[in-house]
Amino acid sequence: QVQLVQSGAEVKKPGASVKVSCKASGYAFSSYGITWVRQAPGQGFEWMGRISTSSGNTNYAQKLQDRVIMTTDTSTSTAYMELRSLRFDDTAVYYCAVGWELRSWGQGTLVTVSS
Amino acid sequence: EIVLTQSPGTLSLSPGERATLSCRASQSVSSNYLAWYQQKPGQAPRLLVYGASTRATGIPDRFSGSGSGTDFTLTISRLEPEDFAVYYCQQYGSSPRTFGQGTKVEIK
Repeated sequence: QVQLVQSGAEVKKPGASVKVSCKASGYAFSSYGITWVRQAPGQGFEWMGRISTSSGNTNYAQKLQDRVIMTTDTSTSTAYMELRSLRFDDTAVYYCAVGWELRSWGQGTLVTVSS
Repeated sequence: EIVLTQSPGTLSLSPGERATLSCRASQSVSSNYLAWYQQKPGQAPRLLVYGASTRATGIPDRFSGSGSGTDFTLTISRLEPEDFAVYYCQQYGSSPRTFGQGTKVEIK
């Protein structure tokens, strides 16, 4: 079955960068795009963007487009999300999900921004 | 950007009762690309319904989605103990994709 396994929790200082990985299995990786979504503590969801795993084309949320980079490594069926110039309000659980309708999700990666 | 407004914010019901959750969009959702997710504390969300009315794989038939255009509904016909959770709608018909703020279904 489709499975997405994300990298572990991170603690970063303001201004630093973080790179979260999302390893896919159970399906043909290049068949479906990967979307990244985040959820701040006790809050709802914020769509960050999507990457096509076949073409590498990306579509980022406007508020993040200057700081986020999404990439994939098709040889290892892994997607990556890098967020730069971290701020306190970037503290959240970051999720990857597959398909237009987000049919399967990773377990989430907690990124804490703290001085 | 399409704003999704869910109501009510909290629904207090007993097991066996029917739950009706609403999701209203600020403009028409393209091709009715509207999904519903369930999230329990400490867990990732789970897809329940996509395309406004198609149940995802493995989802019990007590969950049903309906609606089109700007008004959508998720109905849980008879609440089971495991259904008490937070439910979110999301539109994926236009960019940026957006989510509703969630409806919490709690035990009365």
